[in-house]
Amino acid sequence: AQSVSQHNHHVILSEAASLELGCNYSYGGTVNLFWYVQYPGQHLQLLLKYFSGDPLVKGIKGFEAEFIKSKFSFNLRKPSVQWSDTAEYFCAVSVAGGYQKVTFGIGTKLQVIP
Amino acid sequence: DTGVSQNPRHKITKRGQNVTFRCDPISEHNRLYWYRQTLGQGPEFLTYFQNEAQLEKSRLLSDRFSAERPKGSFSTLEIQRTEQGDSAMYLCASSLGPTSGSYNEQFFGPGTRLTVL
Repeated sequence: AQSVSQHNHHVILSEAASLELGCNYSYGGTVNLFWYVQYPGQHLQLLLKYFSGDPLVKGIKGFEAEFIKSKFSFNLRKPSVQWSDTAEYFCAVSVAGGYQKVTFGIGTKLQVIP
Repeated sequence: DTGVSQNPRHKITKRGQNVTFRCDPISEHNRLYWYRQTLGQGPEFLTYFQNEAQLEKSRLLSDRFSAERPKGSFSTLEIQRTEQGDSAMYLCASSLGPTSGSYNEQFFGPGTRLTVL
């Protein structure tokens, strides 16, 4: 079965700082990878996804993530965070070609200080 | 609002009581998923429907849990004889599918927060 580990559970940054959230997964086959975000009081929503092709994927609000297959990693980055990026971020994986059950990591709470 | 809706949003019950939650997916979505999220954890998969067929159940779904999607539209999740360990946020998601060789985004509802006293 697949699993996901997120390295940072709580991150505090000042506005304009750069962000990188680590994510590693374990699964021997082909996977789809995701970052979901949950803003305070809102639903989980998809930030970006990797399905195939270019390992550098761009999502909404200036976020990007890079899939490094050899490291089983899918780290999330943003060059300059804003206060509105305060949220909880979940890395997730599903088995490619399956019915797309998603396995989530524990989540990282990001707090951006103005 | 044409997103996924869940009712009730909050449920407080006493240990041993039965509870039922409802999920209304996005209307054209034929796949429906239930997840459970406890404090400090990410959502955990519980079960999945394609139309009215329940195709997988997680080991997390004990015999006290049952889910249905009778006409391939809304779904219900029932917990019998609730225990304090059942306290969690229960999330529903829906998606289109199947589509060969592609991923169809899962859209999540707001969740039902269950507190078992």
